Amino acid sequence: GDSVTQMEGPVTLSEEAFLTINCTYTATGYPSLFWYVQYPGEGLQLLLKATKADDKGSNKGFEATYRKETTSFHLEKGSVQVSDSAVYFCAHNAGNNRKLIWGLGTSLAVNP
Amino acid sequence: NAGVTQTPKFQVLKTGQSMTLQCAQDMNHEYMSWYRQDPGMGLRLIHYSVGAGITDQGEVPNGYNVSRSTTEDFPLRLLSAAPSQTSVYFCASTSGGELSGELFFGEGSRLTVL
Repeated sequence: GDSVTQMEGPVTLSEEAFLTINCTYTATGYPSLFWYVQYPGEGLQLLLKATKADDKGSNKGFEATYRKETTSFHLEKGSVQVSDSAVYFCAHNAGNNRKLIWGLGTSLAVNP
Repeated sequence: NAGVTQTPKFQVLKTGQSMTLQCAQDMNHEYMSWYRQDPGMGLRLIHYSVGAGITDQGEVPNGYNVSRSTTEDFPLRLLSAAPSQTSVYFCASTSGGELSGELFFGEGSRLTVL
């Protein structure tokens, strides 16, 4: 069935480290892909998106490339900051039920 | 810069009590929705609305009611709270419909049912 699988957290990094959060998906159709971020005590907010294969979404130093051949949309950042500590959610919009399909979220903690 | 506003932020109920979580948005979005967020379960859609006067069930609607009398407001009602409804609830809205993926979320309402 339709799904989004994210790497399990928590992920703990030191400041300025390289970040990768893996996301793979299965979809009925041809999805658009999204990354949302949830900072402590706040609601989710859209971080970036990609609408077709090989598109790269980017925002706030984060990037993710839509890889159709591997059905993946991994989130990367070259140098994380303490302020990036949050939960990151991957999602797509091509499920059978015509609703967003969400991953379970990956918690990131960045230590100074 | 209000966006999506949820009240209350925290609430403790006893089993069997009723309450309403309020949600208001000032962006003139047609689509509004309610999610619950539970550890290990991710986000699950409870109810949604594509416009005033129109509501529909999501993935986990049992135990919850909604109404949409205006574009701005989308309250979620728990008629008889159960411990299984202990969760964090998020209201969201968008102009493009859920499949646009561009949802604006409120800050959440943490509900504990004893």
